Order: sequence, then structure tokens, then C-alpha cells
Amino acid sequence: GAGVSQSPSNKVTEKGKDVELRCDPISGHTALYWYRQSLGQGLEFLIYFQGNSAPDKSGLPSDRFSAERTGGSVSTLTIQRTQQEDSAVYLCASSLSRGQETQYFGPGTRLLVL
Amino acid sequence: GQNIDQPTEMTATEGAIVQINCTYQTSGFNGLFWYQQHAGEAPTFLSYNVLDGLEEKGRFSSFLSRSKGYSYLLLKELQMKDSASYLCAVRSNYGQNFVFGPGTRLSVLP
Repeated sequence: GAGVSQSPSNKVTEKGKDVELRCDPISGHTALYWYRQSLGQGLEFLIYFQGNSAPDKSGLPSDRFSAERTGGSVSTLTIQRTQQEDSAVYLCASSLSRGQETQYFGPGTRLLVL
Repeated sequence: GQNIDQPTEMTATEGAIVQINCTYQTSGFNGLFWYQQHAGEAPTFLSYNVLDGLEEKGRFSSFLSRSKGYSYLLLKELQMKDSASYLCAVRSNYGQNFVFGPGTRLSVLP
């Protein structure tokens, strides 16, 4: 079956521009996570969606970052006025439910801010 | 605060056994996870521990001691394809926040 998909796979942008990153979770998965991974670093939690509950935004690094999940499926992570330090791989993961231990990761979007 | 520590790099020989340690200090505990990540790829789930003890899955085993804030991933009969980063992650009781360690880069040599 189809796994988690993300688009674009690569994005190069200029400092100050806005970018939108998209995540399509596995069908039926109610939990969706966004992470950021800088080169050679571990994963940094950004935001978590579970069903229709209010998202856990505790990991968002600044108010330039926002995310939404429409219809409980597709999610979009938006970064406004990008900075060079935003350059990283942005990974999306989904799981069946709050209690499901396994997260399935997408291939990530590699963002480079010039 | 939340803190997870792992060795940065490890090297082992094909066919050998390697143990990757993880220590954690988190506000609450609701499970510890190990993921494998090959260079340039997304992490893939390896194991999950929520109770103390050893969980075995083929060549991979994971151990947890909640009182010590300690886990290890044991890889047996190492193969070249096991060369990857191994990420330790803790799910705290606070929401569903997963805290990831920096990862251990394992190199398997012939």
C-alpha cells in the first residue's frame, strides 16, 4: 500500500520568501507529526495532529512556522519569511492512533534557503 | 528538561555484535523507540519498549530500564547493510511529544 508521501522532495528558496511543504499521510492514520532534521543532527519535533483535537504546537521554533491539517488527512507546513537557519530536511510521519507505537515516516523535503 | 544521550559514532566488524546505549531524562515516560536511518533516507521503526526488560526481534533486541532511564539496542550478526544511524526516541506523557536523541552512526566494516 502507499506510504507517507511528501512534496516537494527538494526546495530551494531565497531568504525572506514563504514556502509550503505538503504531507500526505497513510490513509486511515489519525496521528500526524512534523519533524525537522538538520545535517548530522537528530530529529526535532515541530507539531503533532491527532484527529480533530487541537494540535500540539509546542515544538514550533517561531511564529514564522505554522501548520494545518485539512479534513483530517493532508497537512501543510508553512514557513514565512524564511531564514538560512531554516535549511533542513522536514520529515512528516503518521501513525494509526494516539496509542499506536509505530510511526511511518515520509521521504522528507530538503529545504535550502539561500 | 528533556535530554537524550547516545554515542555519536560506533564501529564494528561484520558478523560481530554491537550494543548502542541510550540514556534519557524526560518529564514523564510513555515508551522508548529505536529507529534506523540510512543516509539520505527517512527513519524506519525498529523496536518499542514501554515495560522493563528485553524485546527481541530477529537480529535486533532492545532493552529498557525505566528506573535507570536507560535503554540499549543490540544488533547481532552484523551485516554491511546495518551501517546506518540509530535513533533513540522517548514519548513523554506530555501530549504525544516524541523527543529524539542525536543518533548513533554505526559503521560496519568487512
